[in-house]
Amino acid sequence: GAVVSQHPSRVICKSGTSVKIECRSLDFQATTMFWYRQFPKQSLMLMATSNEGSKATYEQGVEKDKFLINHASLTLSTLTVTSAHPEDSSFYICSADTMGTGGGYTFGSGTRLTVV
Amino acid sequence: AQSVTQLDSQVPVFEEAPVELRCNYSSSVSVYLFWYVQYPNQGLQLLLKYLSGSTLVKGINGFEAEFNKSQTSFHLRKPSVHISDTAEYFCAVISSTGGSYIPTFGRGTSLIVHP
Repeated sequence: GAVVSQHPSRVICKSGTSVKIECRSLDFQATTMFWYRQFPKQSLMLMATSNEGSKATYEQGVEKDKFLINHASLTLSTLTVTSAHPEDSSFYICSADTMGTGGGYTFGSGTRLTVV
Repeated sequence: AQSVTQLDSQVPVFEEAPVELRCNYSSSVSVYLFWYVQYPNQGLQLLLKYLSGSTLVKGINGFEAEFNKSQTSFHLRKPSVHISDTAEYFCAVISSTGGSYIPTFGRGTSLIVHP
């Protein structure tokens, strides 16, 4: 089946530094990928939709200058948390729709970001 | 806008007992329905999905769910749970006619299986 690979699984960084999270579609091409944030004991919050070759679409309230998304190829989308602060500590998950019509959502394994 | 309600935030159950996790959604238009499981510090794994056809859907790990259009529900069931089923379960809905194929998630139900 379709696999979305996400790296790293865990990262600890210092306040003020930047962290890049990668999301790759291993056996299919993903023109669109999605980035979610999950707080402890809560559901997933859609942050942005990443579109190959064009700008990402951010959800209301998500700072586009802080959460930089790049989708340079059909198999790779990256999320960079810039000038990280402790409140950015969270679980970040990417996903892609293998069917393109909503029926084939596949998620990455997630990245636990801790900012100290 | 679509909304998804998982009424139970936690469901404790003993091993080998049956379990039902409830999910209701707001809209009665054509929908795709999903159940995902999430183990600690991991991403979401698809348990099962309803896109069309038979309303009784069988998934992995012995889970099944039934799409009830009149009640706008998609409850998840398992006849006999194991300790290893302890996890967070998310119901998700996509309106298949809306043009925006982005799922709406419920808040999740924590299934806790006791020995």
